[in-house]
Amino acid sequence: NAGVTQTPKFQVLKTGQSMTLQCAQDMNHNSMYWYRQDPGMGLRLIYYSASEGTTDKGEVPNGYNVSRLNKREFSLRLESAAPSQTSVYFCASSASLSGIEKLFFGSGTQLSVL
Amino acid sequence: DQQVKQNSPSLSVQEGRISILNCDYTNSMFDYFLWYKKYPAEGPTFLISISSIKDKNEDGRFTVFLNKSAKHLSLHIVPSQPGDSAVYFCAARDTTSGTYKYIFGTGTRLKVLA
Repeated sequence: NAGVTQTPKFQVLKTGQSMTLQCAQDMNHNSMYWYRQDPGMGLRLIYYSASEGTTDKGEVPNGYNVSRLNKREFSLRLESAAPSQTSVYFCASSASLSGIEKLFFGSGTQLSVL
Repeated sequence: DQQVKQNSPSLSVQEGRISILNCDYTNSMFDYFLWYKKYPAEGPTFLISISSIKDKNEDGRFTVFLNKSAKHLSLHIVPSQPGDSAVYFCAARDTTSGTYKYIFGTGTRLKVLA
């Protein structure tokens, strides 16, 4: 049982390049999320998906697109990377287990945009 | 506009003493609150949570208190151990849009001194 798996773990891009961050969960959760973590800013929600086929903007969606390919997979795309998108990106899924709400996080993708 | 605030960026506590981490929120539509712990180069991991209908939840050394009228919650760790040294995030579930999304605070770095 792998939980939430993110690829790649590290990536360096040049300004203007595009890339897709992949995320998959094997826990059969309906909801999935993308966050970015920056020093002093905490974890900020980029996009989320309450169920397969739906996506919604979070706090900082500009410059990103997402795809909920199926129940397992939720990808984050940077069409034209900018230095301001240098960050650590976390994917998460959520579930209610025995009445306790939990978010389960992947191990993160460290992205540098030069 | 930060809806979930952790006003103390860092906290140092002696081993064996109590650690108290604080969190304030602004949105009265938040109905569930969670605390997460994060070590460097890892994803956040769930610690404890509390529903807005309760004022206290306890799990081993961890207790979360919720004061709805003050829009304030706190995490108490007793006794504190060196392994508790990490960044702690509080998060709130926002149901305003009809779907669930989780808003995080900026984090508090706890250092437990041996």
